[in-house]
Amino acid sequence: NAGVTQTPKFQVLKTGQSMTLQCAQDMNHEYMSWYRQDPGMGLRLIHYSVGAGITDQGEVPNGYNVSRSTTEDFPLRLLSAAPSQTSVYFCASRGGTGPGELFFGEGSRLTVL
Amino acid sequence: AQSVAQPEDQVNVAEGNPLTVKCTYSVSGNPYLFWYVQYPNRGLQFLLKYITGDNLVKGSYGFEAEFNKSQTSFHLKKPSALVSDSALYFCAVRDRAGGSYIPTFGRGTSLIVHP
Repeated sequence: NAGVTQTPKFQVLKTGQSMTLQCAQDMNHEYMSWYRQDPGMGLRLIHYSVGAGITDQGEVPNGYNVSRSTTEDFPLRLLSAAPSQTSVYFCASRGGTGPGELFFGEGSRLTVL
Repeated sequence: AQSVAQPEDQVNVAEGNPLTVKCTYSVSGNPYLFWYVQYPNRGLQFLLKYITGDNLVKGSYGFEAEFNKSQTSFHLKKPSALVSDSALYFCAVRDRAGGSYIPTFGRGTSLIVHP
């Protein structure tokens, strides 16, 4: 049972470079989301999706793009990396709109130099 | 609007003693409430949730939480702490009203259990 899989686990970028963080889930969950975790800031929502073809912005969307072409995949794109985007990124999913809990990936630690 | 507060950045407790991690919330309607745990260098794991009914909710690893509507609180408790319970704990709330998809997380409380 893979659950939510994130790749890569670690990445170092230079300022201005672009990259994509991958997220895949095998639970047929409609809802998927991306968070960043910074010390003392808790979890902040970047983008979310309630189904294939539907995405929306969260609390801190600037500098990030997402797309949802399939139910399983929800990649997060950094268009031009900045040191302020150094963080740990988590993908999470949930089935439906009911009271279900989120299932989290193991995280991707990104450092932007 | 929905919000959640975890008033303590860190909680220290001796092994074998009871522990409490505090959470208060604010929603316009009725809440779904959740607790998650994060071990070092890992993703968050679900511990327990309150949907409706019994105010005392039991979850994984011997944890429980008490929903108190009048105090808008959902404190996490365990009768006897273990060193292995040391981790970061997050409370989260979703407002049932308006079909909200998005939970709001607290900033987290670091639980340290001393041997």
